[in-house]
Amino acid sequence: AQKVTQAQTEISVVEKEDVTLDCVYETRDTTYYLFWYKQPPSGELVFLIRRNSFDEQNEISGRYSWNFQKSTSSFNFTITASQVVDSAVYFCALSEAVSGNQFYFGTGTSLTVIP
Amino acid sequence: EAQVTQNPRYLITVTGKKLTVTCSQNMNHEYMSWYRQDPGLGLRQIYYSMNVEVTDKGDVPEGYKVSRKEKRNFPLILESPSPNQTSLYFCASSYRHRDRYTDTQYFGPGTRLTVL
Repeated sequence: AQKVTQAQTEISVVEKEDVTLDCVYETRDTTYYLFWYKQPPSGELVFLIRRNSFDEQNEISGRYSWNFQKSTSSFNFTITASQVVDSAVYFCALSEAVSGNQFYFGTGTSLTVIP
Repeated sequence: EAQVTQNPRYLITVTGKKLTVTCSQNMNHEYMSWYRQDPGLGLRQIYYSMNVEVTDKGDVPEGYKVSRKEKRNFPLILESPSPNQTSLYFCASSYRHRDRYTDTQYFGPGTRLTVL
């Protein structure tokens, strides 16, 4: 079974619209860490955020915000007032403290922002 | 500058010809890992290493070898490449905490491999 599920394969929005990328994870550990990475068309992987399982506070960074809900095992990512530069593939990932050796990625969501 | 470097960035080879993709990091990270990225499959972990001389299989290790003789280097070896190993490969490194979780991974620029 997938440990990290990103059900949205592709999303297209018009510039300035808000968009939410969904991430659902599966773990039995009580201590774990969740991450979001961005992969722009140039191909590199850029770290965006890390959250641990004990901190459910939502986080905002400029136009980016993250909603972590343990009750639904979700760690969703919202981009407000999207811009063309936000066009990229976004990956959600999980690292577990007990079996903390492996890093699990979702299959990614490809976001296209149309000008 | 803190970074993970990979070489080569692009490689076209033929079936069966042994190749090595190098990976090096200058952040003194204990943990290093290799991933392959394929359309629709996301990133899948091939091998990882928790420290020097300690390596273990990820989700898709078949056809690959690794070694960790020095902390900074983690080469990926394809002894007999096949066309199904055509992919985009990423090396990553991270700090490993005492409570054993793997912290934020920092990625190299990627190596695009084509096996004919």
